[in-house]
Parts: sequence; structure tokens; C-alpha cells
Amino acid sequence: GQQLNQSPQSMFIQEGEDVSMNCTSSSIFNTWLWYKQDPGEGPVLLIALYKAGELTSNGRLTAQFGITRKDSFLNISASIPSDVGIYFCARTQGGSEKLVFGKGTKLTVNP
Amino acid sequence: NAGVTQTPKFQVLKTGQSMTLQCAQDMNHEYMSWYRQDPGMGLRLIHYSVGAGITDQGEVPNGYNVSRSTTEDFPLRLLSAAPSQTSVYFCASSRQGIDTEAFFGQGTRLTVV
Repeated sequence: GQQLNQSPQSMFIQEGEDVSMNCTSSSIFNTWLWYKQDPGEGPVLLIALYKAGELTSNGRLTAQFGITRKDSFLNISASIPSDVGIYFCARTQGGSEKLVFGKGTKLTVNP
Repeated sequence: NAGVTQTPKFQVLKTGQSMTLQCAQDMNHEYMSWYRQDPGMGLRLIHYSVGAGITDQGEVPNGYNVSRSTTEDFPLRLLSAAPSQTSVYFCASSRQGIDTEAFFGQGTRLTVV
């Protein structure tokens, strides 16, 4: 119940294509977070979602908090080479500051 | 504005050696944590601290010790390094309270031979 299932594990796309990835869990959560890790760097928060059904955008990125509160989606439109990296979903655990991460989606963008 | 600073960036240890990974933050954050990142495993929580003098175990604490004598610093100690501890280690900090953004350091790449 604590694990986050993130898919796909990896994606190879052409520049300009749209990307979609998702994260699911068997448990209900109040928060979904999406982080991006550039090669050789630490993760950086992209989008935070706090309400079921919430749809939030950050530039070309759009994320949604599933209505069942058990899943979330991240979409990237018109991908560019700097979108390369690993995207993680995450949630806080048990009403604390502890973050639990999915295993990540590694994105490769071919120019 | 330094944020979260980790040192060293790279380290090679022999099995059985000890060392301390340093982490410092200048944002006056109460909450600090250590993660390890292994291929295909995501980030797994090792230890965390909700304030000076308070630490607790995460998901994978065995083989690691921590202490939090100041708000700014949260070192991670490997008492007797093992090859299974070869990994990339990340320190993170955030304000206290759930749903606050965690800021990560650049990581320490550790190899144990």
C-alpha cells in the first residue's frame, strides 16, 4: 500500500512529441508531487497537487490528481532536448514530511 | 544562495572503511533527510530529522548513522563500508509541515570496492 507504481520506466521520443507518464498506488493520498532530476543533479519539484481532480500546469507541463486519489498523470507537450532526465512521482507519508518516491521514468529526447 | 550543499561529490572507499557524507543547508529548514538512489529503484529514504537533536530511521537505515546537532547540518556516517552501499546519496531539506517543497543537494556518488 505504501509503494508507488510509476510507468513507463523509460521513454525514447523525438523532439516535438508529447509525453505522458503516470503513477498509481493502492492507497489513497492527499498529495501528489512530481519531481524532475537532470543528469548529475538532485531532483527539483515541478508540480504539486493537493486536491482530487486538480489539474495544474507549469509551462509545457500539466499534471492531474486522479479523481480516485490513487493516481496522477504528468504530461509534457512539444518536448525539447532539455526535457531529458528522470521524472519522479512522490507523495508524503502518513501525515509527515517524509517523501516516498516512485522508481522514476527516464526520458530521452532525440533532436 | 547556496541551498543544500553536499560534500564530497565523489568518493571511493575500500570495504570496511568509514566515512562521513556532509550535508548543510542555509534555509533554516527544520526537516532534513538522506536518500540513496540506485538504478531502477528510485530514491529510498535512509534517515531523517525533524529538528536539531531528533533523528529517525527511514526505509533503508542499516549500515548508516546520523546525528543532528545543529539546524544547518545533517551528516551521514558509514561506519564500515560495504559494496552494497555503492550508490548516489542525496540530502534534502524542507520547512516543517507536510506538503512543503523538498530541496535536494547535488548528490554524492560513492563507490565501495
